[in-house]
Amino acid sequence: GEDVEQSLFLSVREGDSSVINCTYTDSSSTYLYWYKQEPGAGLQLLTYIFSNMDMKQDQRLTVLLNKKDKHLSLRIADTQTGDSAIYFCAETDINAGNNRKLIWGLGTSLAVNP
Amino acid sequence: KAGVTQTPRYLIKTRGQQVTLSCSPISGHRSVSWYQQTPGQGLQFLFEYFSETQRNKGNFPGRFSGRQFSNSRSEMNVSTLELGDSALYLCASSTRSMGRTNTEAFFGQGTRLTVV
Repeated sequence: GEDVEQSLFLSVREGDSSVINCTYTDSSSTYLYWYKQEPGAGLQLLTYIFSNMDMKQDQRLTVLLNKKDKHLSLRIADTQTGDSAIYFCAETDINAGNNRKLIWGLGTSLAVNP
Repeated sequence: KAGVTQTPRYLIKTRGQQVTLSCSPISGHRSVSWYQQTPGQGLQFLFEYFSETQRNKGNFPGRFSGRQFSNSRSEMNVSTLELGDSALYLCASSTRSMGRTNTEAFFGQGTRLTVV
């Protein structure tokens, strides 16, 4: 079945770049998402990429997709303490018809040290 | 525009009891999905309702059920509570069925359920 895997923890210094990695198993065409969950809050969509794209950039965020290796990464430039949160990778198979749903990773907890 | 509202925010129940959680989606959103979030298992999909119909269901026992009303508000019910049901229950709403192309899910803050 489908599976999404992420490393659980990442610690960086303020001002450095953070790279959060995600691997997925579904070989069908997919949309891939990055969500952010701040303490005590629900999840918030950060960005998404379709599987026919290699890269997407949005201000400090860069998403890289290696479709061959089914590897997705989220790079946060100039990481700030406000970026400390849990980051979830999720995918959806657009060919699954009515069974389409989001498949989630366990989340990567990012700690930004001053 | 108001966000997704979940009530209550916190709940303590004893084993064997039942509980009902409520989710009010963003106005105009017809899809509501429920998730269970625990530290060890991450986000686990429970079910999705779209226009009062259950569209999709995760691998949870029948003790977990839900429904959606004509105003798109949704309730989730857990009967015969077990200690392992302690978790953060998140609700997400969207304009279209979850998983459709580039559909954004908007999450509530969740209900923290503790079973003792």
